[in-house]
Amino acid sequence: EAQVTQNPRYLITVTGKKLTVTCSQNMNHEYMSWYRQDPGLGLRQIYYSMNVEVTDKGDVPEGYKVSRKEKRNFPLILESPSPNQTSLYFCASSFYRDRRPNTGELFFGEGSRLTVL
Amino acid sequence: DAKTTQPPSMDCAEGRAANLPCNHSTISGNEYVYWYRQIHSQGPQYIIHGLKNNETNEMASLIITEDRKSSTLILPHATLRDTAVYYCIVRAPSGAGSYQLTFGKGTKLSVIP
Repeated sequence: EAQVTQNPRYLITVTGKKLTVTCSQNMNHEYMSWYRQDPGLGLRQIYYSMNVEVTDKGDVPEGYKVSRKEKRNFPLILESPSPNQTSLYFCASSFYRDRRPNTGELFFGEGSRLTVL
Repeated sequence: DAKTTQPPSMDCAEGRAANLPCNHSTISGNEYVYWYRQIHSQGPQYIIHGLKNNETNEMASLIITEDRKSSTLILPHATLRDTAVYYCIVRAPSGAGSYQLTFGKGTKLSVIP
């Protein structure tokens, strides 16, 4: 089954304790991205990756790191989490838009709910 | 990518057509209009996309105005399961900028029995 898998789905941690949220896709997609969702603010992009070893900042990259060493994986790293990073996180992936018959649609994971105390 | 404007919320009676508007007045000629929806706190789901012509699939229809400055997503016979937040975004063809996507706040559609 084609899917984007995130882990953990739920996590409660404390300020300053490094954590990694993993994201893996099995669709051979080049593009991957991380979003955070907060009440009243919609979905905001954190980082994205065009392909292996190619990453770039989205709208809200502060406090986050990413890496893309393999095509299928795109982990989100919080080196020193703070309470303002308490949020619902989504990973997404897609082919490039101009790769026919690609529709350019993004496939999203089920989300990771992170609480930083 | 151009920004979009959507009403924060809408209601629709079950079985009736739901028409969700989106304004994208600064859209560029090569940018597509995409619609996604998010049920509860699940991952957003792709619905439909289009460039100039109206589009229809098994989920919905997309009507894009001739000047492309606005569009309407139509759910022909809304059911309770269509209650969700609907996001309209515009996206350019491949290129670094086309992948810096912000979904905004979307429209909360409530289907009422």
